[in-house]
Amino acid sequence: NAGVTQTPKFQVLKTGQSMTLQCAQDMNHNSMYWYRQDPGMGLRLIYYSASEGTTDKGEVPNGYNVSRLNKREFSLRLESAAPSQTSVYFCASSPHGQGGSYEQYFGPGTRLTVT
Amino acid sequence: DAKTTQPNSMESNEEEPVHLPCNHSTISGTDYIHWYRQLPSQGPEYVIHGLTSNVNNRMASLAIAEDRKSSTLILHRATLRDAAVYYCILRDVHSGAGSYQLTFGKGTKLSVIP
Repeated sequence: NAGVTQTPKFQVLKTGQSMTLQCAQDMNHNSMYWYRQDPGMGLRLIYYSASEGTTDKGEVPNGYNVSRLNKREFSLRLESAAPSQTSVYFCASSPHGQGGSYEQYFGPGTRLTVT
Repeated sequence: DAKTTQPNSMESNEEEPVHLPCNHSTISGTDYIHWYRQLPSQGPEYVIHGLTSNVNNRMASLAIAEDRKSSTLILHRATLRDAAVYYCILRDVHSGAGSYQLTFGKGTKLSVIP
């Protein structure tokens, strides 16, 4: 049981390049999330998927797109990377999204640098 | 979600108990109290959560004040592996689309002294 896995672990991009961050979970969870964490800051939600087939914007969605490929996989795409998107990206999943009684399980993160 | 207040940092000696406080004076009756921690260079890790009663699990205990305006995360015997940033987060059990997000503040950085 690997939990939440993310690829790649590290990535360096030049401004304007595109890339896709991959996330998969093996816990049969319905809801999945993408967060970013900037140095010395708390996590901020980029997009989430409450259930397979649905996606919604979070707090900081500009510059990103997402795809819920199936129940296991949720990808985050940067179409034209900017230095402001230099951050650590975390994927998470939970049994259900809504409501305060469900915990979220996080992946190990992808460290992205945009030069 | 209602706001929480935590000390910026705390220190503990190894193998001693640690009490991490959290104030949430504007908590509503349907807010769950969640604790997560983040070890250096890792993703956040769920620790414990509760609504009204004290809760215990294999990682920690959560003590909730009777008026629910504060709570304390208790690590019974701190180890070096417990050195992390600890986040206290409130989540409304009935809220709508906004409830999907975990709102992380600055948290408390716990240092464990060997």
